[in-house]
Amino acid sequence: EAQVTQNPRYLITVTGKKLTVTCSQNMNHEYMSWYRQDPGLGLRQIYYSMNVEVTDKGDVPEGYKVSRKEKRNFPLILESPSPNQTSLYFCASSDRGSNIDTQYFGPGTRLTVL
Amino acid sequence: AQSVSQHNHHVILSEAASLELGCNYSYGGTVNLFWYVQYPGQHLQLLLKYFSGDPLVKGIKGFEAEFIKSKFSFNLRKPSVQWSDTAEYFCAVNGAPGGYQKVTFGTGTKLQVIP
Repeated sequence: EAQVTQNPRYLITVTGKKLTVTCSQNMNHEYMSWYRQDPGLGLRQIYYSMNVEVTDKGDVPEGYKVSRKEKRNFPLILESPSPNQTSLYFCASSDRGSNIDTQYFGPGTRLTVL
Repeated sequence: AQSVSQHNHHVILSEAASLELGCNYSYGGTVNLFWYVQYPGQHLQLLLKYFSGDPLVKGIKGFEAEFIKSKFSFNLRKPSVQWSDTAEYFCAVNGAPGGYQKVTFGTGTKLQVIP
């Protein structure tokens, strides 16, 4: 089944404790992206990747890191999480890196930073 | 930078009523436009998209949207809503000026359909 998976689905952590949210897609898509969803703000793009080893900042990259060592995986790293990073996070993928078409979204990761 | 406005934050309709959700974007030029839907407890999924050609596009579940370039708008419509249309709807744009890899979403509209 074609899908985007994220782990963990729920995470409660404390300020400053490094964490990684994994994202994997099995559709051989070139493009992958991370978004955060906050009430009243919609989805905001954090980082995106057009292909392996090619990443770029979205609109809200501060406090986040990403890497794209393999085509299927695009982990989101919070080196020192803070309470303002409490949010619902979505990973997405699309089959063209140059002109993004339909994005396929993962189920979301609800992160709480205390 | 591109911005997307969805002026209706929360819409409540009775079944069989007609629906129109507004979406306006700020920067002209060549853009791609999307409507995504998030049903309760489910992933975001594509409703419809516009890249070029006929400005009236049809999507899944009887939804359609019209691209009006002069108004920077891409409003979503459905002639008769059902209870199962209860969801949150997001408009999204990519293209100028940020490039086709950067996607800007609106803040979303929560639709509640009353049986």
